[in-house]
Amino acid sequence: GDSVTQMEGPVTLSEEAFLTINCTYTATGYPSLFWYVQYPGEGLQLLLKATKADDKGSNKGFEATYRKETTSFHLEKGSVQVSDSAVYFCALSPSGYSTLTFGKGTMLLVSP
Amino acid sequence: DAGVTQSPTHLIKTRGQQVTLRCSPKSGHDTVSWYQQALGQGPQFIFQYYEEEERQRGNFPDRFSGHQFPNYSSELNVNALLLGDSALYLCASSLGQTDTQYFGPGTRLTVL
Repeated sequence: GDSVTQMEGPVTLSEEAFLTINCTYTATGYPSLFWYVQYPGEGLQLLLKATKADDKGSNKGFEATYRKETTSFHLEKGSVQVSDSAVYFCALSPSGYSTLTFGKGTMLLVSP
Repeated sequence: DAGVTQSPTHLIKTRGQQVTLRCSPKSGHDTVSWYQQALGQGPQFIFQYYEEEERQRGNFPDRFSGHQFPNYSSELNVNALLLGDSALYLCASSLGQTDTQYFGPGTRLTVL
């Protein structure tokens, strides 16, 4: 079945550092790929998405590129802020469906 | 534009009891999905409702059931509660069964 693997956290960075959170997936066909973010005590917020190979999703300085050849969708940000501290989830939905399969999440802690 | 809302925010039950959680979808959305998020884990798909019928189901026992009303709102029912049912229950809505899902803040269920 479909699955998503994320790098384990926590990822601890200083403010203005470069961020990469790795995500790889296993799925048949051409899934859509997503990054969701969860702040403490809250639900999930959609951060960005990509629906086909080589698409780049971007939002609030975060970017991720859909790499079919490496089945990856790594999240990057050039300069993190303390307010980016949260748990980040990589997820996929099969082609033609909206139901999501999530990774286990990666906690990001940014210090001033 | 109202987002996805869920009630109650928190709930405490004892083993063997039954619980009902409620969700109102984002304005304009007609499809509701439910997820269970155990502590420190990614959300797991329970089921999806569209046109008042269960359309897809994840790997959850029959103790988990649901309903969708004509106004697209939805309920999640869990019977014979187990300690392992303690989790954050997330509702997500979308326009149709293929569109991006948007999440509510969740209901925290504690089973004692």
